Amino acid sequence: SQTIHQWPATLVQPVGSPLSLECTVEGTSNPNLYWYRQAAGRGLQLLFYSVGIGQISSEVPQNLSASRPQDRQFILSSKKLLLSDSGFYLCAWSNPGVAGLPQETQYFGPGTRLLVL
Amino acid sequence: AQSVAQPEDQVNVAEGNPLTVKCTYSVSGNPYLFWYVQYPNRGLQFLLKYITGDNLVKGSYGFEAEFNKSQTSFHLKKPSALVSDSALYFCAVRAFSGTYKYIFGTGTRLKVLA
Repeated sequence: SQTIHQWPATLVQPVGSPLSLECTVEGTSNPNLYWYRQAAGRGLQLLFYSVGIGQISSEVPQNLSASRPQDRQFILSSKKLLLSDSGFYLCAWSNPGVAGLPQETQYFGPGTRLLVL
Repeated sequence: AQSVAQPEDQVNVAEGNPLTVKCTYSVSGNPYLFWYVQYPNRGLQFLLKYITGDNLVKGSYGFEAEFNKSQTSFHLKKPSALVSDSALYFCAVRAFSGTYKYIFGTGTRLKVLA
């Protein structure tokens, strides 16, 4: 079965410090990978998605970046954190479409709560 | 453009009563529709999906949802609510083609009162 891991679970960082959040998926290959941010326990904002190694699509221009160095590893980074970067960060994966059909269900990791002070 | 609307920020229901959480969508072509549940400080858990076929789909924890193409709705239902169902519920839609993205509603907080 497939599992998705995120770490750390919680993180407190000062303004201006760097950030690296990691997400890994087990039990599948060539997944589509996603980073979301959830503010104030409500709506999800799609930040980045990736359909393959080194292929990153950015949805919201900001001081965050993403990388996919390996097939099942997705990293969210920042060189200098802002107060507004605080939130709950969720990684998700879905299987790529099979036989010309689009991907179906998206599955989420446990999330990382980031507090920037 | 794709969009999802969850018109109610919060739904309150007494334990044992039926519950409905509403979702309407707008998408070009055939939609893929999903419901997720989120407990505090946790990731989203998949509940059920509609891809094709029977308009009534059954999912985890006794939840079901009805796809209504004419009303572009996909309401989540449960015949008898439990206090443990209290959580944040998200509806999501994905277009059949042309995108890798899923569009999520703003979420509805369900509170089941004992």
